Amino acid sequence: DQQVKQNSPSLSVQEGRISILNCDYTNSMFDYFLWYKKYPAEGPTFLISISSIKDKNEDGRFTVFLNKSAKHLSLHIVPSQPGDSAVYFCAAFRSNYKLTFGKGTLLTVNP
Amino acid sequence: KAGVTQTPRYLIKTRGQQVTLSCSPISGHRSVSWYQQTPGQGLQFLFEYFSETQRNKGNFPGRFSGRQFSNSRSEMNVSTLELGDSALYLCASSLVTSGNNEQFFGPGTRLTVL
Repeated sequence: DQQVKQNSPSLSVQEGRISILNCDYTNSMFDYFLWYKKYPAEGPTFLISISSIKDKNEDGRFTVFLNKSAKHLSLHIVPSQPGDSAVYFCAAFRSNYKLTFGKGTLLTVNP
Repeated sequence: KAGVTQTPRYLIKTRGQQVTLSCSPISGHRSVSWYQQTPGQGLQFLFEYFSETQRNKGNFPGRFSGRQFSNSRSEMNVSTLELGDSALYLCASSLVTSGNNEQFFGPGTRLTVL
C-alpha cells in the first residue's frame, strides 16, 4: 500500500521556466511533508517542508503548496536551473510513525 | 561538522552470504534510520533506531536487522543475501527522531548481490 505517490517518474523543462513536481498521499493523518533532492552517487538532501496546518511555504526559488482536501502537494521551482536536475522525493510524516517516501521524480532542466 | 558517513561505499557479495553495513551519524544526532533504494521503488524504510532502541520497522523480512551503539553509530545486517537485495542502502540521522526533524542522509552503500 503506497501511501505517498509521485505519479510522474520524470519531468523535463527548459532553463528559466517553472518546474512543477507533484505528489499525492492517501493517509489523512500525515501532518508534515518534506521534499528531498538527490543527485547520483549522493544521499538525498533536504529541500523544503510544510506543516499540514499551512498551505504554502516558500524558500527562495522553491515553493511547496499543500491542498489537504485533495491530499495533494506540489513543489514549484522558479526559475529552473540546470543544477536543479536531480531526483526529487516527496515524503510524509505522521507523529510516532516512520517517514514515508514516494518513488521519486527525475527532473531534467535543459539549458 | 562532519556529515553522515557510511562504510563501505561499495560491496559485492554472492547469494547466501551475509553483509554488515555501518553508519556514523552527525555528532549529536541520536536517531538513525535506514532505507533501501531500488530503481522504480524509491526509498523504502527499513528501520529507525533511537538511543539504542528500535523505534520503527518497515515491511522487510527478518533477514534484515540492525542495531545502534551507545555512541549512536548504527549497523545493519542482511543475512542469506538474495539477488533482489541489490540496492543502494541509505542511512539518515536526525537530532531526536525522524519525521519532521530534518534527516541528513549519508552517501549510501551500493550493494550488489551476484
